[in-house]
Amino acid sequence: SQQGEEDPQALSIQEGENATMNCSYKTSINNLQWYRQNSGRGLVHLILIRSNEREKHSGRLRVTLDTSKKSSSLLITASRAADTASYFCATVHNTGGFKTIFGAGTRLFVKA
Amino acid sequence: SQTIHQWPATLVQPVGSPLSLECTVEGTSNPNLYWYRQAAGRGLQLLFYSVGIGQISSEVPQNLSASRPQDRQFILSSKKLLLSDSGFYLCAWTPPGRGRGEAFFGQGTRLTVV
Repeated sequence: SQQGEEDPQALSIQEGENATMNCSYKTSINNLQWYRQNSGRGLVHLILIRSNEREKHSGRLRVTLDTSKKSSSLLITASRAADTASYFCATVHNTGGFKTIFGAGTRLFVKA
Repeated sequence: SQTIHQWPATLVQPVGSPLSLECTVEGTSNPNLYWYRQAAGRGLQLLFYSVGIGQISSEVPQNLSASRPQDRQFILSSKKLLLSDSGFYLCAWTPPGRGRGEAFFGQGTRLTVV
């Protein structure tokens, strides 16, 4: 079963606004990652946050991780039309440790 | 640099026909390899993963099988396709070892079973 659950399932915002997506998971993790997928394409890695980290930045991306709540958030600041895509969180779990499990994703639509 | 190749990009197959999707990775050794399936508008379902030649772990019982005949080659197969096998199939690799980092994806194969 999938571990990550993103919300919202879909998000529509105006260009320039911030977009926040959330992810929850069920079991302890080694790390959590966020990916982006343009329609009909493969996924592209955005950012990885380790279980002992609480916040990480990369350009306009900000990721937080709360292991006590088993949740993470991805914030995209000053969104652009080109940010329109689906965003997935993925977890690598301590048990086994080889499997990257993806959530159902959030579809982000940024209106110009 | 590492690259991953997945083909074909699209495939239309009749029910009951066999399937073979191939994925190869270049520029790395002993990668962990994965096959995922994505239904329209949904997340990725892990189908198989492999940590070495001949080592395949199946995540979901199904009509598909996977093989890893060479270190950097991962094949997804079926003897007889079902309508429910339609979907977007993605191959991915991660560096060897446990949970070391990001997954790198191929461009996907859109399979339509008719």
